Amino acid sequence: AQTVTQSQPEMSVQEAETVTLSCTYDTSESDYYLFWYKQPPSRQMILVIRQEAYKQQNATENRFSVNFQKAAKSFSLKISDSQLGDAAMYFCAYRKGGGSNYKLTFGKGTLLTVNP
Amino acid sequence: DVKVTQSSRYLVKRTGEKVFLECVQDMDHENMFWYRQDPGLGLRLIYFSYDVKMKEKGDIPEGYSVSREKKERFSLILESASTNQTSMYLCASRTGGGSGYTFGSGTRLTVV
Repeated sequence: AQTVTQSQPEMSVQEAETVTLSCTYDTSESDYYLFWYKQPPSRQMILVIRQEAYKQQNATENRFSVNFQKAAKSFSLKISDSQLGDAAMYFCAYRKGGGSNYKLTFGKGTLLTVNP
Repeated sequence: DVKVTQSSRYLVKRTGEKVFLECVQDMDHENMFWYRQDPGLGLRLIYFSYDVKMKEKGDIPEGYSVSREKKERFSLILESASTNQTSMYLCASRTGGGSGYTFGSGTRLTVV
């Protein structure tokens, strides 16, 4: 079974600084997708960024970027120029590719605090 | 804008009650999911459905059942609520391909 591990239960960063959240996963598949979701205190889960395993280029979305290391099965999220609104729980997630009926498997989450 | 709506934001029920959690999506998505979120455990999949009247067990289906009579609605049923089912419940839906999920805003259920 696929597993997703987030080794940092909590992280903190100063406003305007950069922070990296770690995620590793275990799979025997070659076709899969990886995601980072953000859950602010409002509880609404928001998709931050997505990476297809077959793409070598790391995904970026404005201040958010990933470092995808396929051989190491690592998928870290970098937040640049951190803002107070980035404070949230962040979840890394994995989904098998090649079909439409596959579930997302989540890590346990990293709580990010942004200090002014 | 696409939406997944969960009927209740907060719910308090008594032990032994039958509880229905409702989820509706307006995106014509095939796949719908129910997750349970607990501190330190992340999100765990209870059940999912990939079509009307179709369902599959997730990782923690015990004590739960689901119903999907119409494409837009996916209900989670606690047959006899117990205190260990006190949790946050999140519904999600997705279309095909490599897309992510769209989530509802969650139902915080307390069983007393």
